[in-house]
Amino acid sequence: EAQVTQNPRYLITVTGKKLTVTCSQNMNHEYMSWYRQDPGLGLRQIYYSMNVEVTDKGDVPEGYKVSRKEKRNFPLILESPSPNQTSLYFCASSFSRGQSYEQYFGPGTRLTVT
Amino acid sequence: GENVEQHPSTLSVQEGDSAVIKCTYSDSASNYFPWYKQELGKRPQLIIDIRSNVGEKKDQRIAVTLNKTAKHFSLHITETQPEDSAVYFCAASSDDKIIFGKGTRLHILP
Repeated sequence: EAQVTQNPRYLITVTGKKLTVTCSQNMNHEYMSWYRQDPGLGLRQIYYSMNVEVTDKGDVPEGYKVSRKEKRNFPLILESPSPNQTSLYFCASSFSRGQSYEQYFGPGTRLTVT
Repeated sequence: GENVEQHPSTLSVQEGDSAVIKCTYSDSASNYFPWYKQELGKRPQLIIDIRSNVGEKKDQRIAVTLNKTAKHFSLHITETQPEDSAVYFCAASSDDKIIFGKGTRLHILP
């Protein structure tokens, strides 16, 4: 079954404790992206990757890191989480190297930073 | 910076009536305009999209129109049904940037 998976789905952590949210897709998609969704703000792009070892900043990259060492995986790293990073996070992938194609979203990760 | 304005933020329509959601964008380089539907507790899913070389596209009860000169595009849902209740997001995309609207919560009233 073609899908995008994220882990964990729910996470409660404390300020400053490094964490990683994993994202994996089995569709051989070149493009992957991370978004955060906050009430009243819609979906905002954090980082995206056009291909292996190629990443770029989205609209709200501060406080986040990503890596793309393999085509299927695109982890999101919070080196020192803060309460303002409490949010719902979505990973997405697309078959195209550009952004102008349908994106397939993962199920979401709800993160709470206390 | 570039942005996408989406209106209204909340919309209530009687079952069977039509719903229209409008978006405007600022980036002239935008060439792809998708609409995503997000049901409660679920992930966003594409319901329809349109490219800049097309003015209108229809898929059963949903349609999207695009006016590139005015930089606005709209989602039209006809004969609304209870399962249309959700949050709808528009987006404007170029090859290296995508910006989403803030979303419209659509309520279908019985």
